[in-house]
Amino acid sequence: DIVLTQSPGTLSLSPGERATLSCRTSQSVNSNFLAWYQQKPGQAPRLLIQGTSTRATGIPDRFSGSGSGTDFSLTISRLEPEDFAVYYCQQYGNSPLYSFGQGTKLDIK
Amino acid sequence: QVQLVESGGGVVQPGRSLRLSCAASGFVFSSFAMHWIRQAPGKGLEWVAVVRYDGSVDYADSLKGRLSISRDNSKNTVYLEVKSPRAEDTAVYYCARLALNHYSAFDLWGQGTMVTVSS
Repeated sequence: DIVLTQSPGTLSLSPGERATLSCRTSQSVNSNFLAWYQQKPGQAPRLLIQGTSTRATGIPDRFSGSGSGTDFSLTISRLEPEDFAVYYCQQYGNSPLYSFGQGTKLDIK
Repeated sequence: QVQLVESGGGVVQPGRSLRLSCAASGFVFSSFAMHWIRQAPGKGLEWVAVVRYDGSVDYADSLKGRLSISRDNSKNTVYLEVKSPRAEDTAVYYCARLALNHYSAFDLWGQGTMVTVSS
């Protein structure tokens, strides 16, 4: 089965700083099928990025995604207070059919 | 308003079947694949099952045989039956819509319904 490993587990930064979150997969993932989600406490996840680098509707351009093969990343160029949350990567196409990373918690330093 | 609203959660005894519902509104429900994704307390996201627009289904291997996903397009509703639930099925269960593009991402989520399996 494919495993998605996100790092770091927790990232402590200040508003205005740049955040880079990593998602490494144990098998190659088609770049069309790698997505990122944001989840705040008590809320459902929200789609940020699909197809590795395409922002979902309404997502600010400070969020960007990149990568290929087994190495993907989400970058938040300048952190806003509302960006502190947990972030998950997700793949489609390997076994299991859909799977998520374990998450990176982005908290305020 | 485009939304998904789950219901049917609560406390269920181990071994007693449970059926969750997810009512969709604001979009052409019959065109979309619909999924269930769960999240155990304090844990990450786990994909559970899908029912596609044509009625075909798939399940997470670890849960096959204990789940049944279905849809009723006349009611814009997707269902998940959990047979013989166990303590490890305790989680928030989300329904989610697969985006109608080639990216295979979940672009709309419900607010979730909490299931607690306990005697």
